[in-house]
Amino acid sequence: DAGVIQSPRHEVTEMGQEVTLRCKPISGHDYLFWYRQTMMRGLELLIYFNNNVPIDDSGMPEDRFSAKMPNASFSTLKIQPSEPRDSAVYFCASSLAASTEAFFGQGTRLTVV
Amino acid sequence: QQQVKQSPQSLIVQKGGISIINCAYENTAFDYFPWYQQFPGKGPALLIAIRPDVSEKKEGRFTISFNKSAKQFSLHIMDSQPGDSATYFCAARNGGSQGNLIFGKGTKLSVKP
Repeated sequence: DAGVIQSPRHEVTEMGQEVTLRCKPISGHDYLFWYRQTMMRGLELLIYFNNNVPIDDSGMPEDRFSAKMPNASFSTLKIQPSEPRDSAVYFCASSLAASTEAFFGQGTRLTVV
Repeated sequence: QQQVKQSPQSLIVQKGGISIINCAYENTAFDYFPWYQQFPGKGPALLIAIRPDVSEKKEGRFTISFNKSAKQFSLHIMDSQPGDSATYFCAARNGGSQGNLIFGKGTKLSVKP
């Protein structure tokens, strides 16, 4: 398996634009997590899914953020409109079950100018 | 109660020395405590993990010490090598059916040759 695949690796966008980050979890994994990493706040959980259903989205900072998982092999995190303070590295991770290792993708570095 | 507090923020160790990173938590419902290692430009990767029914786990040069009564756990890296230079995150997971990890803010380790 190629691991968790995220795209794009880097994204530079202008304030106010819509940004969509993509994630393909490891095949067979039931849990998918979206994290945001910044120097100030470290790794923050934004939202996670179990069997494609959002379980906890309390970490989503604002209504500008939304996430979907239309099927077991694909998830998106959308920011609309984007703001400079959204600049961060966004990670997607997946795990086989609640009690097993979470595997992280390589992340998407988002810069909003 | 959901926080995991990690220290120090940064650590410099000479090659061959022992690196020690500490974490503390409040929520007694946490039932899984992993340590993740992150190299620049990469996603975090699981290094070693422990469950609260044991007080120590060792894998090669890496050891987790767990003190359930004090709600503290630590990572010891013996014979530290320059290749160990990375950012280390402790984490804790909610028990029961939940699967989300709560991360500490990370420790940047530099091992000097």
